[in-house]
Amino acid sequence: GAGVSQSPSNKVTEKGKDVELRCDPISGHTALYWYRQSLGQGLEFLIYFQGNSAPDKSGLPSDRFSAERTGGSVSTLTIQRTQQEDSAVYLCASSLGIYTDTQYFGPGTRLTVL
Amino acid sequence: DQQVKQNSPSLSVQEGRISILNCDYTNSMFDYFLWYKKYPAEGPTFLISISSIKDKNEDGRFTVFLNKSAKHLSLHIVPSQPGDSAVYFCAASDPAGNNRKLIWGLGTSLAVNP
Repeated sequence: GAGVSQSPSNKVTEKGKDVELRCDPISGHTALYWYRQSLGQGLEFLIYFQGNSAPDKSGLPSDRFSAERTGGSVSTLTIQRTQQEDSAVYLCASSLGIYTDTQYFGPGTRLTVL
Repeated sequence: DQQVKQNSPSLSVQEGRISILNCDYTNSMFDYFLWYKKYPAEGPTFLISISSIKDKNEDGRFTVFLNKSAKHLSLHIVPSQPGDSAVYFCAASDPAGNNRKLIWGLGTSLAVNP
């Protein structure tokens, strides 16, 4: 079946603008994760969803970041008033359930804030 | 503070030889470890994992060894192939809470030369 998909693949925006990143997980996967990878850095956990609820938002770097998930499927990550330090690759992953450790990743969205 | 460390940012190996990628961790509570491979412009893909109750797991050319007393694991690729050239991430599963958060290393870039 189809893997995790993300859109857009690339996004260039101006500082101060809002952006929305979309993730479509693998069908049937109840857990969904957002990460980001800044240049030269490892993967940074942002937020996790189990179904539509987010038990762990501890990784969100500021209140400019928010995420939602509807219908237990698609998720959007919103960054308000973007800053240059938000530039990174944003990766989405899904897994079958919360006790299943293998996460399957999408190709990522490369965000560039000018 | 990096809880999962991959101290070698890059590694170069001749085709047909063994590649050994190393990973150290600091939290003795981690109970599950995973290796992911990442090609440019793609999301990470799951490669192999090991539970803390084991010290070795093998899958074809890939073997992961875990030394709990040393808090060290390694990924062996034998024989190495040019298609193995990628960035390899070590990740540890944090059992705290119920979301199985993965803690990631910064990655090791492997180049397998023909």
